[in-house]
Amino acid sequence: EVQLVESGGGLVQPGRSMKLSCAASGFTFNNYDMAWVCQAPKKGLEWVATISYDGSSTYYRDSVKGRFTISRDNAKSTLYLQMDSLRSEDTATYYCARHVPNFGVMDAWGQGASVTVSS
Amino acid sequence: DIRMTQSPASLSASLGETVNIECLASEDIYSDLAWYQQKPGKSPQLLIYNANSLQNGVPSRFSGSGSGTQYSLKINSLQSEDVATYFCQQYNNYPPTFGGGTKLELK
Repeated sequence: EVQLVESGGGLVQPGRSMKLSCAASGFTFNNYDMAWVCQAPKKGLEWVATISYDGSSTYYRDSVKGRFTISRDNAKSTLYLQMDSLRSEDTATYYCARHVPNFGVMDAWGQGASVTVSS
Repeated sequence: DIRMTQSPASLSASLGETVNIECLASEDIYSDLAWYQQKPGKSPQLLIYNANSLQNGVPSRFSGSGSGTQYSLKINSLQSEDVATYFCQQYNNYPPTFGGGTKLELK
């Protein structure tokens, strides 16, 4: 069974940093591109970032470029999102998601990690 | 960025009814369109990809259609477990973008 389990969320002050992790199991992690997608409270879904299966390529939405870093450790089957210079508008649930090979579709999602940026 | 506009924003329907949800892209996305279902308090689940391909394990009462800039999700014979918010997503161009969602409730 494919499982994606996020961790590392919580309350953080504006301007500070937070790192999310996503532990993957039930599939060959290093065969898949992976993504982070966020959802602000009572709002819709927003793609945040994608990393290629081998970590060689990364893509970010404009609002997080230069502040967020997506990375992965294929030996540990774990995806990361380092979030720096956090802003109140980054408050959201962050989902880890698996890309279908060669498509921008996401066919498996974690349960989400809640991040609240507030003083 | 490609803008995805969903309609209606909310919808109330009866058990057994047929429901249609529309998604309009701001430019041609060549059927690179997915539909997701998000039940209350849960993460999104993939229903449809390539505009009309049913994801494994998704009931056949769900179907997708469309081309160019106009797409739709159809739910036949609405069941109680279909109460959810539905999102469309284009993946033709980076960044991938989602519609604002359609909240489906039972009448």
